[in-house]
Amino acid sequence: EAEVAQSPRYKITEKSQAVAFWCDPISGHATLYWYRQILGQGPELLVQFQDESVVDDSQLPKDRFSAERLKGVDSTLKIQPAELGDSAMYLCASSSFRQGNYGYTFGSGTRLTVV
Amino acid sequence: EDKVVQSPLSLVVHEGDTVTLNCSYEVTNFRSLLWYKQEKKAPTFLFMLTSSGIEKKSGRLSSILDKKELFSILNITATQTGDSAVYLCAVGNNYGQNFVFGPGTRLSVLP
Repeated sequence: EAEVAQSPRYKITEKSQAVAFWCDPISGHATLYWYRQILGQGPELLVQFQDESVVDDSQLPKDRFSAERLKGVDSTLKIQPAELGDSAMYLCASSSFRQGNYGYTFGSGTRLTVV
Repeated sequence: EDKVVQSPLSLVVHEGDTVTLNCSYEVTNFRSLLWYKQEKKAPTFLFMLTSSGIEKKSGRLSSILDKKELFSILNITATQTGDSAVYLCAVGNNYGQNFVFGPGTRLSVLP
């Protein structure tokens, strides 16, 4: 079964350092999402891509977060500088709505701990 | 702003019990509601509901949507310890292709 690949699985970083996460969606999925899930809460959308274009980044803290999907396939989410409050699970998901699928598939996530 | 509320937030039962998890929502131009199960990693898809009154069923799990009253329930019968997880509800509208998630219900099934 096709999967959404994410790396790394775990990341510990010191505050004020830079950190980056990578996501490779299911092949052929045009829509890619980055979600942040703080412990005990539901996932919150950070950014949504349609191919290489950003569709929604209204909840992305743009002073420190950036996301790109240059070729419309894999994507990178960066935080610089990291803050203690950024400790969370970062989930990537992809979907192909053209195939009539109104749900999406999540990757295994990157658990970030900022110390 | 779209909103999803889940209840209870936490629930502890014993094996064999039946549980009902609730999800209510406010969304402009509703399209679909999703249920996910999340153990220690990424959420895994359970059900997608788009029409009122049509029960979706998978083994001991079932779910139904009421678009008039704006809620959905997820039922689990004869619970097992492996059902222990956070159950997430999410709703999507017709304006975009993303979903708003609720806070989840943490279910603990004791042996």
